[in-house]
Amino acid sequence: QQQVKQSPQSLIVQKGGIPIINCAYENTAFDYFPWYQQFPGKGPALLIAIRPDVSEKKEGRFTISFNKSAKQFSLHIMDSQPGDSATYFCAASIFAGGYQKVTFGTGTKLQVIP
Amino acid sequence: DAGVIQSPRHEVTEMGQEVTLRCKPISGHDYLFWYRQTMMRGLELLIYFNNNVPIDDSGMPEDRFSAKMPNASFSTLKIQPSEPRDSAVYFCASSGHEQFFGPGTRLTVL
Repeated sequence: QQQVKQSPQSLIVQKGGIPIINCAYENTAFDYFPWYQQFPGKGPALLIAIRPDVSEKKEGRFTISFNKSAKQFSLHIMDSQPGDSATYFCAASIFAGGYQKVTFGTGTKLQVIP
Repeated sequence: DAGVIQSPRHEVTEMGQEVTLRCKPISGHDYLFWYRQTMMRGLELLIYFNNNVPIDDSGMPEDRFSAKMPNASFSTLKIQPSEPRDSAVYFCASSGHEQFFGPGTRLTVL
């Protein structure tokens, strides 16, 4: 059962554009929502994360918007650059058994065209 | 710290052979995770350890898969016998609070 739905599967934008990746979750017990960035041939790396008591978080050009009532959250990349081309995974996690148990979305392959 | 280290980075083997993937977690991390990544199924958690003890192996697909963590700095994932459908990228991750992933091992079973 997929608990975190991510869309779109792929996305192409021009340099300077603002790609938006959307995620939705079902389990209201999730208490932490990280985004991971994965470059080809590399493992996923934590990019930015948010807790459900906050509606927005910015780190540099990356912004997470969070809608707790709708159980949705999204990643916006401002002034996107070719170097942002990567696969992005949203995730939702819950603290259980002494660690953050993470459920990943299916990923969005982003291509930023110069 | 060098981060999570995995070896080999690439492995090509023939069906029926034994495959062993290796992982060195980040020093001081209590948790270690093995994931499998495929186009069809995305990132799947196979098994995780806490303080070298396997806690949840419900994601291990079959008895052909086994994982061990003999000490805090080393873990292995073994597939015996391997099958073509095992072809994937296998990631090891370790965590204190956040999970840090290794570079992965790309396994191809012919």
